[in-house]
Amino acid sequence: GDSVTQMEGPVTLSEEAFLTINCTYTATGYPSLFWYVQYPGEGLQLLLKATKADDKGSNKGFEATYRKETTSFHLEKGSVQVSDSAVYFCALAPRTSGTYKYIFGTGTRLKVLA
Amino acid sequence: DAGVTQSPTHLIKTRGQQVTLRCSPKSGHDTVSWYQQALGQGPQFIFQYYEEEERQRGNFPDRFSGHQFPNYSSELNVNALLLGDSALYLCASSPPGQGFEQFFGPGTRLTVL
Repeated sequence: GDSVTQMEGPVTLSEEAFLTINCTYTATGYPSLFWYVQYPGEGLQLLLKATKADDKGSNKGFEATYRKETTSFHLEKGSVQVSDSAVYFCALAPRTSGTYKYIFGTGTRLKVLA
Repeated sequence: DAGVTQSPTHLIKTRGQQVTLRCSPKSGHDTVSWYQQALGQGPQFIFQYYEEEERQRGNFPDRFSGHQFPNYSSELNVNALLLGDSALYLCASSPPGQGFEQFFGPGTRLTVL
């Protein structure tokens, strides 16, 4: 079945460091891909999305490119801030007819130190 | 424009009891999905409602049931609560024709003692 695999955390970085959080997926067809962020005690916020191969999603300095050949959607940011500390979830939405559920990875906790 | 709202924020129940969680979708959205997020895990899909009917269901027992009302708001009911039902329950809504785009509410934290 469809699945999402994320790198395990926690990831601890110093402020202004470069961030990469790996995400790979298994799916039939061409799913839509998403990154969500969850701050402590809160729900999920959409960070960025990509709906087809080679699409690049970007928001608030974060980027991710839909790579069909490697079935990946890695999250990157050039310079992290303390306020980026949160849990990041990679998710896919299958495109098979009648299937609308999101499938999430287990999440990667990011801690940024001042 | 209010986003997705959920109530209550927190809830404590004991084993065997029943619970009802509520969700109001974002204005203009007609589809509501429910997810269970156990501590330290990613959200797991419970079911989705559209036009007041359950459109799709995840791997959850029949103890989990739901309802969607004509104004698109939704309820999640869980019967015969187990300790393992303790989790954050998230509601997400989608605009018409865009089932892939889901907007999440802040969640209801359910603790079963």
